[in-house]
Amino acid sequence: AQTVTQSQPEMSVQEAETVTLSCTYDTSESDYYLFWYKQPPSRQMILVIRQEAYKQQNATENRFSVNFQKAAKSFSLKISDSQLGDAAMYFCALSGGYQKVTFGIGTKLQVIP
Amino acid sequence: GAGVSQSPSNKVTEKGKDVELRCDPISGHTALYWYRQSLGQGLEFLIYFQGNSAPDKSGLPSDRFSAERTGGSVSTLTIQRTQQEDSAVYLCASSFSGTSGVGQYFGPGTRLLVL
Repeated sequence: AQTVTQSQPEMSVQEAETVTLSCTYDTSESDYYLFWYKQPPSRQMILVIRQEAYKQQNATENRFSVNFQKAAKSFSLKISDSQLGDAAMYFCALSGGYQKVTFGIGTKLQVIP
Repeated sequence: GAGVSQSPSNKVTEKGKDVELRCDPISGHTALYWYRQSLGQGLEFLIYFQGNSAPDKSGLPSDRFSAERTGGSVSTLTIQRTQQEDSAVYLCASSFSGTSGVGQYFGPGTRLLVL
């Protein structure tokens, strides 16, 4: 079984500041993938960033980066220079040795102008 | 198409009625997924298709739920004898291949309300 835990139901950040969203996971697979998805109020889920577990280097996509700590089974998302359009629900997700993807319950991010 | 599309976008039905939800994946995507998202909850995996076959149906909540995919493209999720607890947003996603690490492209969802 695989689990994903997001312990921050809500977070807020000032525009242009940096925020970190936490995620921990558990899996028995040795090869797996981790994702962060964004779901704005429009409801459309969008892939933000992905990390392959066998890669030690942390993934980066523009203002979004992750801190992947494999031994600690931690996968946090850092958003730099936060923008109003970043306000959304953020879901951490894990995909193990087969196709089933497990999602966390999400963190609601508020961006304060 | 440009993205994953789902229809209808909203559906209101009476308890006991059957409903069909449709998903059109991105052209060329071989993998298709159905999820259910209840208010304040994460995504609950329902079923996964690779081509027209469903190797993993473990997430279907009951035998009232079924899904099919034809021609390796369009998928239909059917809920028979709907109950109020079936009210949720049903999300469809597709991905390019059977590799679990490529990430998924999601549709806008169908919001189902069972009265």
